[in-house]
Amino acid sequence: QIQLVQSGPELKKPGESVKISCKASGYTFTDYAMHWVKQAPGKGLKWMGWINTYTGKPTYADDFKGRFVFSLEASASTANLQISNLKNEDTATYFCARSADVMDAWGQGASVTVSS
Amino acid sequence: DIQMTQSPSSMSASLGDRVTITCQASQDIGNNLIWFQQKPGKSPRPMIYYATNLANGVPSRFSGSRSGSDYSLTISSLESEDMADYHCLQYKQYLYTFGAGTKLELK
Repeated sequence: QIQLVQSGPELKKPGESVKISCKASGYTFTDYAMHWVKQAPGKGLKWMGWINTYTGKPTYADDFKGRFVFSLEASASTANLQISNLKNEDTATYFCARSADVMDAWGQGASVTVSS
Repeated sequence: DIQMTQSPSSMSASLGDRVTITCQASQDIGNNLIWFQQKPGKSPRPMIYYATNLANGVPSRFSGSRSGSDYSLTISSLESEDMADYHCLQYKQYLYTFGAGTKLELK
C-alpha cells in the first residue's frame, strides 16, 4: 500500500539546522510531486512548496524562500526538507504529501521544536 | 497570490444537523479545490476533490459545491465522527493556498 513515512521528532536550538525525511513506498516515486506543509501548534495548514520528483526542481512559497531547501534521494524514494538558521517560529509539525493535483497521501508528520 | 477566505473559523452543531463550511477564492481557480478533514494528532484526509468529487471511502453525507468564487463543503446529517478541523486548498497553476481552517465541534 502507499505509504509516506517521515523521520522522528527533533528538538533544536535557535540558529541550528534540521533535516526531515519522507520515505515513499507502494508507488513509483517519480510519478508524483512531493509537497511540504507546515502546521504550527494550534494553527492551520500552510503550504510551503513542492519538488518535482522527476527533475528535482523545487518551487517555494514566498514565505519559505531562503532558509528552506527541498531535496531528493530518488534512488531511495525519499524527499527531504532542510531548514537552516532555525527560529522559534519554526516550531511546528511538517507534513509531506504526494500529489498529481490532489494531495492524496500524507506522511504522519514530523515535529520540530525550536527552544533555547 | 490567490487568497482563500474560509468561514466560519469555528462552529458548534448538534448530531443530525446540516452543516456548511465555505471558502471564497480571491481569483478564478476553476474547480481546483480540495477539502480536507483533520482530526487531532492526525494527518489531513482528502474528502472532496475538484470542488465536487467525493474521495474514495468518504461517506455520502459529505458533498462539495461551487457558486462562482464560493466553494462549500456540506455535511447533510452530522455524526459524532465528523467532529474535526476542515481545510480548503486551492491548487491553480502549481501555487497552492490553504484556507485558515474551520473547527467543527459538538454542541
